[in-house]
Amino acid sequence: QVQLVQSGAEVKKPGASVKVSCKASGYTFTSYGISWVRQAPGQGLEWMGWISAYNGNTNYAQKLQGRVTMTTDTSTSTAYMELRSLRSDDTAVYYCASGGSYPFVNYWGQGTLVTVSS
Amino acid sequence: DIQMTQSPSTLSASVGDRVTITCRASQSISSWLAWYQQKPGKAPKLLIYKASSLESGVPSRFSGSGSGTEFTLTISSLQPDDFATYYCQQYNSYSLTFGGGTKVEIK
Repeated sequence: QVQLVQSGAEVKKPGASVKVSCKASGYTFTSYGISWVRQAPGQGLEWMGWISAYNGNTNYAQKLQGRVTMTTDTSTSTAYMELRSLRSDDTAVYYCASGGSYPFVNYWGQGTLVTVSS
Repeated sequence: DIQMTQSPSTLSASVGDRVTITCRASQSISSWLAWYQQKPGKAPKLLIYKASSLESGVPSRFSGSGSGTEFTLTISSLQPDDFATYYCQQYNSYSLTFGGGTKVEIK
C-alpha cells in the first residue's frame, strides 16, 4: 500500500532553516509528483509547492519563492522540503502528499510539526 | 493568485440533513477544483477532484458540481462520520490555492 512517512518534529530558532523529509513506498516514486502543504495551528491549509519526482521540475507558491526548496532523491524514494529564514509564523504542521489525479493528491504523510521559537 | 472563498465558514447540521458548501473562485478555473475533508489531528482526505469526480472509496452521498467560478460540495444525508472541516482547492497555471474551510458541526 502507498505510504508517505515524514521525519520527526523540529524546533528551530527564528532565522534558521529546516529540512523535512518524506519517504515514499508502495508505488513507483517517479510516477507522481510530491506536493507540500502546511497548516498553522488552528488555521487552514496552505499549498507550498510541488516537485516532479520524474524530472525535478518545481512550482512554488509565490509567497514562499526564495525561501523554499523542494528536492527528491530517486535512489531512496525520498522527497525533501527545505524552508529558510524561518519566522514565528512558519510554525505549522507540514504535510507531503502524492498520488491521485494530477494536480490533486490522495495520499498524505502523517505531518511534521515545525515550531519556530526563540 | 486566484483567491478561493468558501461559505459558510461554519455550518451546524443534524444527522440525515442535506448539506451544501459553496466555493467561489476569483476568476474562472474551468473544472480544476477539488474538495478535501479533514478531521482534527489528521491529514486531509480527497473526496472530489475535477469538480465532480468522486475519489475511489468515497461514499456516494458526497457529490460535487460547478465550473468556472462557482462550485458546490453536497452531502446528501449527513452521517456521524462526516462532521469535519471541508476545504476546496483550485488549480490554475501551475499554482494551487485552498479555500478557507467550512467546519461542519453537530446541531
